[in-house]
Amino acid sequence: KAGVTQTPRYLIKTRGQQVTLSCSPISGHRSVSWYQQTPGQGLQFLFEYFSETQRNKGNFPGRFSGRQFSNSRSEMNVSTLELGDSALYLCASSLEASGRYGTQYFGPGTRLLVL
Amino acid sequence: SQQGEEDPQALSIQEGENATMNCSYKTSINNLQWYRQNSGRGLVHLILIRSNEREKHSGRLRVTLDTSKKSSSLLITASRAADTASYFCATDDGQGAQKLVFGQGTRLTINP
Repeated sequence: KAGVTQTPRYLIKTRGQQVTLSCSPISGHRSVSWYQQTPGQGLQFLFEYFSETQRNKGNFPGRFSGRQFSNSRSEMNVSTLELGDSALYLCASSLEASGRYGTQYFGPGTRLLVL
Repeated sequence: SQQGEEDPQALSIQEGENATMNCSYKTSINNLQWYRQNSGRGLVHLILIRSNEREKHSGRLRVTLDTSKKSSSLLITASRAADTASYFCATDDGQGAQKLVFGQGTRLTINP
């Protein structure tokens, strides 16, 4: 099976712009989660989607949003970019419906640089 | 906020030696996972241990979990240069949500 794929891999934007990142989960996985990784804050949970519904959300401002399509592919959007949004954005998919025994498989990430 | 705290933050050993990393967490969990990350790339899942398990093995990896102390350890035996990476422990939120809470990681360097 193909792994989790993320596009684009690298992105450069300027402050105030918006960006959309895409994630295709492993075939058959219905849960998709997004994480932000920065040197200062480490890995932080953004949100999780399951069957096109946002089930969990981390402590990020409303500028960060996402959605999931019927084929489980997911997108996340960041509006009005700030310098602090520069980070590696990781997507993960999971087969299990809950986190109780859920291994999450990560994609290679999208590295976003905001200038 | 970080739930897991790894110790040490950085570890440098010679090839062939064993490497041990520790992780502590704060709240009750359903499972704990260890991941590896090479140079800012994606995370590679290493092993998952459930809260009712005490020890688990996978190849050269050995993970222990002590829920009474809220701690876990990852042992890599007979280390290789390719094991050079950052290692993270991650826990669920204890309530069944598909949400991982990561520690800050241990940066492991294997010297040839």
